[in-house]
Amino acid sequence: DTEVTQTPKHLVMGMTNKKSLKCEQHMGHRAMYWYKQKAKKPPELMFVYSYEKLSINESVPSRFSPECPNSSLLNLHLHALQPEDSALYLCASSRLAGGLTDEQFFGPGTRLTVL
Amino acid sequence: GENVEQHPSTLSVQEGDSAVIKCTYSDSASNYFPWYKQELGKGPQLIIDIRSNVGEKKDQRIAVTLNKTAKHFSLHITETQPEDSAVYFCAASMRGNNRLAFGKGNQVVVIP
Repeated sequence: DTEVTQTPKHLVMGMTNKKSLKCEQHMGHRAMYWYKQKAKKPPELMFVYSYEKLSINESVPSRFSPECPNSSLLNLHLHALQPEDSALYLCASSRLAGGLTDEQFFGPGTRLTVL
Repeated sequence: GENVEQHPSTLSVQEGDSAVIKCTYSDSASNYFPWYKQELGKGPQLIIDIRSNVGEKKDQRIAVTLNKTAKHFSLHITETQPEDSAVYFCAASMRGNNRLAFGKGNQVVVIP
């Protein structure tokens, strides 16, 4: 298995809802990432997990809560989001972690709409 | 932090012609430079990358060149095809962490 998978593909939620995004990889990668991408913009880094520990939080609001239950799985829990949080949420993984440079492979993303 | 600039923002080419996208970076310590292709409704796909100990790398119709002195790197696509139409992002790694600094992206349109 050489890909990063994300579910769901699309998600529509109200501002009072709680939902979760899921990301999975079975390539044995030890770093996993969450990015947010707005239309016609590059991906913006949100969180990095290295060896299942949170290593980077790019000052993301607490309404986004990441979780890494094991080395293959990454979740992003969403609560009390705002309409401006509507975006494509991308997960990525890389073989190396701990600040070492390595290829990052992206999943197809979850298109999130907040009403 | 690292700053990556990407030019031009939009590029239209006739099918069969070559396309070149150039990126410049600011941090001389950056040592890894990937290129991603993103088609509409999909996630970015890594198409080629280069490390600072190499000046050029080629994979079929795609090549990347790196000029460390001038701090720029370029993506070259030869014999363009309609399926090459996409947004292309360059990026540079920042020393000491897993961050990638992305350029703003370049919309490439291949005209049949």
